[in-house]
Amino acid sequence: DVVMTQSPLSLPVTLGQPASISCRSSQSLEHSDGNTYLNWFQQRPGQSPRRLIYKVSNRDSGVPDRFSGSGSGTDFTLKISRVEAEDVGVYYCMQGAHWPRTFGQGTKVEIK
Amino acid sequence: ITLKESGPTLAKPTETVTLTCTFSGFSLSSSGVGVGWIRQSPGGALEWLALIYWNDDKYYSPSLNNRLTITTDTSKIQVVLTLTDVDPEDTGTYFCTHSFRSKLSTNDFDYWGQGTLVTVSS
Repeated sequence: DVVMTQSPLSLPVTLGQPASISCRSSQSLEHSDGNTYLNWFQQRPGQSPRRLIYKVSNRDSGVPDRFSGSGSGTDFTLKISRVEAEDVGVYYCMQGAHWPRTFGQGTKVEIK
Repeated sequence: ITLKESGPTLAKPTETVTLTCTFSGFSLSSSGVGVGWIRQSPGGALEWLALIYWNDDKYYSPSLNNRLTITTDTSKIQVVLTLTDVDPEDTGTYFCTHSFRSKLSTNDFDYWGQGTLVTVSS
């Protein structure tokens, strides 16, 4: 199985400041179809996970543009340009290039 | 698109648990569509379990393969996940998800249900 490793696991941030989460995969996520399948999910307290970013850098509908994804191969990053109170929750990366699909451990974002 | 999970809230060790995903806003008869299951442990870890596509292609987590079965009803408006021989480590929230794939791309887990909590305890 592809192992997804996130860091940090806990991220206290100040409102209005940027935040960055790293995700590394144990194998390349570049698929033979030419796409790189790395997704990011947000789970707010008491809610189901919600997909924010797909294929490394594509924002899902309704996702604010303060969220951005980047990376290639095995190294990926989710950035929040200016953290807002509604961004509190746990963020997970997930690879969709290989079976079985696997998730990172999650990064808990909280306000300082 | 909406998905909703249903099933028992409590199960005893060694029992078989059957979970149903009822969805709307899309058809599992449409080319490319898939419905899958993901669970979340009480500690928060997400684990992908199984996925079935419109053409009956099925994928399972190898760690649970021999205990999982994913099927769809004949009208293709529900997807059922069966987990046999449950154990307290199977306790968690089980989510149903929508996926889509084409020759050019795969689109995983863009919609999720609210989840259903299953507790395994004697």
